[in-house]
This record gives sequence, structure tokens and C-alpha cells, in this order.
Amino acid sequence: QSVLTQPPSVSAAPGQKVTISCSGSSSNIGNNYVSWYQHLPGTAPKVLINENNKRPSGIPDRFSASKSGTSATLGITGLQTGDEADYYCGTWDNSLSADVFGGGTKLTVL
Amino acid sequence: EVQLLESGGGLVQPGGSLRLSCAASGFTFSIYAMSWVRQTPGKGLEWVSTVGGHGDDTYYADSVKGRFTISRDNSNNTVFLQMNSLRAEDTAVYYCRNSGEDYWGQGTLVTVSS
Repeated sequence: QSVLTQPPSVSAAPGQKVTISCSGSSSNIGNNYVSWYQHLPGTAPKVLINENNKRPSGIPDRFSASKSGTSATLGITGLQTGDEADYYCGTWDNSLSADVFGGGTKLTVL
Repeated sequence: EVQLLESGGGLVQPGGSLRLSCAASGFTFSIYAMSWVRQTPGKGLEWVSTVGGHGDDTYYADSVKGRFTISRDNSNNTVFLQMNSLRAEDTAVYYCRNSGEDYWGQGTLVTVSS
């Protein structure tokens, strides 16, 4: 059971938009920055978003994110087949004194 | 270019030990906390342990506390994870992570099985 809650899967057609939610609490999302990661098996997780909504250099603006209260959302527009991957949210938890992650969301581009 | 290169994974019997290493380059190693994060088969990412820049501060997930020990060698830009009393549920890909800048390695597979 992950500390942060994400939907197990989402899907959409190429070119469409999808959102992935991440729900936490005041001890984690509510009081800390949220990051989002794209992960393909056998590779290093890739940082898509840090500090709630900032894209590192090289990340296309098709990826965006927001945070409100104890929840965060990742949005991906103009879906491509290459976007098929697992997506994770992550943050720090003040009560646990630990990094915490969501359970991951598998994106399928139909 | 930042690189984090993990090594030391492999197959080990339950109750056995392994020592993971992560060689870092491309950033000022000693000023950053370093962490190990694992992904178990079919499950998500799980934080395992973090060590502060000087190596004095260490933190562990409850699931590994008392069995795993994290350490670092700033003269050789390397972080270690000593894993003892390994269990089947420790089977995972273990990733090395620069906690400050959020750089990740490619991971090393640890399989605990008889």
C-alpha cells in the first residue's frame, strides 16, 4: 500500500490528452514539493516535473502538472505511442521522514 | 554529464548478504544526500535509505531497518548499501539516487531465492 494514491492505469488515443492524479495528505503533498517521473522497465526513472510544476531542461511542454491542497495532477497532451510507460508521483513525508511515492500509473496509448 | 552506476546485484539465498555500490560522477558528490530506492516486481517505487552528504545522517525504511546499512566514501564518490538477512520480499531492482538534484541510476537487480 503506497502512501500516495494513483490510479493503476489510464489510456487514451494518440493525439489526445490524459491526466494522472496523485492523492496524499498534509504530511506529504500538502506541505512539500511534488515530482513526477516517467519509468520504463530496465531504465532509470526520468524526472518529468519537479517543484510541483517545473519541467527540467529537455522535457517537452506537452507535460504539465499542478498541485492543490493534498493532491497533484500530471497532464500529458498530444499523446504519442512513445509516451507509454509507468508514471509515478513522489514527495517527502514529514511524519515518516522519508521519500514517498505513488503506486504508479500505467499509461496506454491506444 | 551526470552518471550513477550501480553494481553488486545478483542472486542470493534467503538469509544471505549483498553489498551494492553506486559510483557517481558529473556533480559535486559530497554536498548531496544520496538514496537507494527499489522497485519490486509488479509494484511501485519504494524508498529504502538515505545518507547525508557527510555520511553522519542515515535514514531507513521500516522494512529494512536493522538489516540494511547505507554508507558513503566521498573520496571515491561512491555510496554503498550493505544488505544482510535478505528476504524474498527484498527482491527488486535497486536504484541509486542523488536526492538533491534527483538524478537516478539505471538500477541493479537483486533476487533473493533458494
